[in-house]
Amino acid sequence: EAGVAQSPRYKIIEKRQSVAFWCNPISGHATLYWYQQILGQGPKLLIQFQNNGVVDDSQLPKDRFSAERLKGVDSTLKIQPAKLEDSAVYLCASSSRTGPDTQYFGPGTRLTVL
Amino acid sequence: QKEVEQDPGPLSVPEGAIVSLNCTYSNSAFQYFMWYRQYSRKGPELLMYTYSSGNKEDGRFTAQVDKSSKYISLFIRDSQPSDSATYLCAMIAYSSASKIIFGSGTRLSIRP
Repeated sequence: EAGVAQSPRYKIIEKRQSVAFWCNPISGHATLYWYQQILGQGPKLLIQFQNNGVVDDSQLPKDRFSAERLKGVDSTLKIQPAKLEDSAVYLCASSSRTGPDTQYFGPGTRLTVL
Repeated sequence: QKEVEQDPGPLSVPEGAIVSLNCTYSNSAFQYFMWYRQYSRKGPELLMYTYSSGNKEDGRFTAQVDKSSKYISLFIRDSQPSDSATYLCAMIAYSSASKIIFGSGTRLSIRP
């Protein structure tokens, strides 16, 4: 079974520029998550999708971050404009059901904002 | 105060040693307690989880939960260089289904 795919793996941008990340979840997984992991910290949930509907986006900075999951499969996370403090690894995870043992993480996209 | 506190380390031990990793938490609503392992430039992978209090063993790994003290531990026996990674504790409150709250992670290095 293929895992969660993410691209690009690395991205370097200047502050105030825009950037987009892509995630392809495990086939058949209805739930998709985007996390932000700042260096030295644990992952923090940004947004959770169930199919193509948003379940939880309470920690998404909506003035600059947006995410969509068209057709309930792939998802993109966008930052516009980026700030220095957005430098982090952006992790995508997917699951087929709720529970403590169900989320599978992708390798992440490492963003550096200069 | 953070909901989940974890010593960032780094922790360096010789091969074969017993490793003890710990987290404390403040939210008494947490019911599920997990440990994730994260290798450099990889996503976290679930090692094991426990529900409520008690112990759970899986090979060289043992997870302990003490809800009265709001304290959880992961023990690694016969540690190997391949165990070198960052270990993240994580918790879910019963009411929030799958929303995971992570600790900041402990960097572990096993010296050959």
